[in-house]
Amino acid sequence: EAGVAQSPRYKIIEKRQSVAFWCNPISGHATLYWYQQILGQGPKLLIQFQNNGVVDDSQLPKDRFSAERLKGVDSTLKIQPAKLEDSAVYLCASSLEPAGELFFGEGSRLTVL
Amino acid sequence: AQSVSQHNHHVILSEAASLELGCNYSYGGTVNLFWYVQYPGQHLQLLLKYFSGDPLVKGIKGFEAEFIKSKFSFNLRKPSVQWSDTAEYFCAVNARDTGRRALTFGSGTRLQVQP
Repeated sequence: EAGVAQSPRYKIIEKRQSVAFWCNPISGHATLYWYQQILGQGPKLLIQFQNNGVVDDSQLPKDRFSAERLKGVDSTLKIQPAKLEDSAVYLCASSLEPAGELFFGEGSRLTVL
Repeated sequence: AQSVSQHNHHVILSEAASLELGCNYSYGGTVNLFWYVQYPGQHLQLLLKYFSGDPLVKGIKGFEAEFIKSKFSFNLRKPSVQWSDTAEYFCAVNARDTGRRALTFGSGTRLQVQP
């Protein structure tokens, strides 16, 4: 079974530039999550999708972050414009059901200079 | 909203030593509890989980955790660690009585096992 795929693995940008991350969850997983993990901290939820609908985006900085899951499968997370404090690993995870085990991707490491 | 505290940020042990990592959560309702592990260079993966039933749960690689409801705790244990257990360990919780169910993670404990 293929795992959660994320790209790119690494990205370096300057502040005020934009960046996009892509995630393809495990086939059949209706729930998709984006987490932000800053060095030395645990993952923090940014947004949760159930199919193509948003369940929870209360911690998403909506002035600069956006995410979509148009067809209920893969998802894109965008940051525009980036700030220095956005340097982190962006983790995508999926689960078969909302209360189930989360399967994580390798993550996309963002460095903002 | 729920929160998770992991008080040990960095633990160094010798091989064969016993391990106990603390995890406390704050939430008044019913919860599901998880321990995830991240080995160097790898993605987060599930170590064990508690949904209901026997509060002592066993996971992969000889790990176990005990849910003590009165203490809001879910400590991770292993009787004898190996060098290959070197990793970062995250405790996580989700609230069973809400529709959101996303996991809230603790800040993690870095375990270093010396040969």
